[in-house]
Amino acid sequence: AQTIHQWPVAEIKAVGSPLSLGCTIKGKSSPNLYWYWQATGGTLQQLFYSITVGQVESVVQLNLSASRPKDDQFILSTEKLLLSHSGFYLCAWRTPNSDYTFGSGTRLLVI
Amino acid sequence: QQKVQQSPESLSVPEGGMASLNCTSSDRNFQYFWWYRQHSGEGPKALMSIFSDGDKKEGRFTAHLNKASLHVSLHIRDSQPSDSALYFCAASLRGNNAPRFGAGTKLSVKP
Repeated sequence: AQTIHQWPVAEIKAVGSPLSLGCTIKGKSSPNLYWYWQATGGTLQQLFYSITVGQVESVVQLNLSASRPKDDQFILSTEKLLLSHSGFYLCAWRTPNSDYTFGSGTRLLVI
Repeated sequence: QQKVQQSPESLSVPEGGMASLNCTSSDRNFQYFWWYRQHSGEGPKALMSIFSDGDKKEGRFTAHLNKASLHVSLHIRDSQPSDSALYFCAASLRGNNAPRFGAGTKLSVKP
């Protein structure tokens, strides 16, 4: 069975500090991976997607970047956090039946 | 411009009642639809996908799609307090395109 794991579970960071969030999927080779951002109680906004190692496509510009260093790993990062980066970050992969399975998310508070 | 619009924003039904959620797409190219449910503090989970016109039933949940009117609905019969959550409609151009999410409907089921 495939599992998707995100880390850390939550972060409190200062404005201007760097950030790195991780996502790992096990049990699936060459998954399509996605990063989403969600404001509290809000909709899900797709940020990035990756269909293969080393290849990442940006969907919106939010002063964030993403990388796919390994087949099962997707990283979201920035060098300087903004207050507007606060929210819930979700990693997802596309299952064979075209559903999108989400991880349990990372809650980020920028102060 | 929101391409996936949900109504109502919030909905309260008594335990055992019927909850009806609506979703309309403003983009005729969207052909694939999903309903997701998100409990507080968790990532969204796929409830149902519907790709063809008509009804699709899974247990207490029934989705209905009318591609001509770009309308999809979700009906939950015999609603339970555990159904209280944020429900998202999502739509995509093709099955392997990441879906665009609506703003969500907050459902409260009162015991």
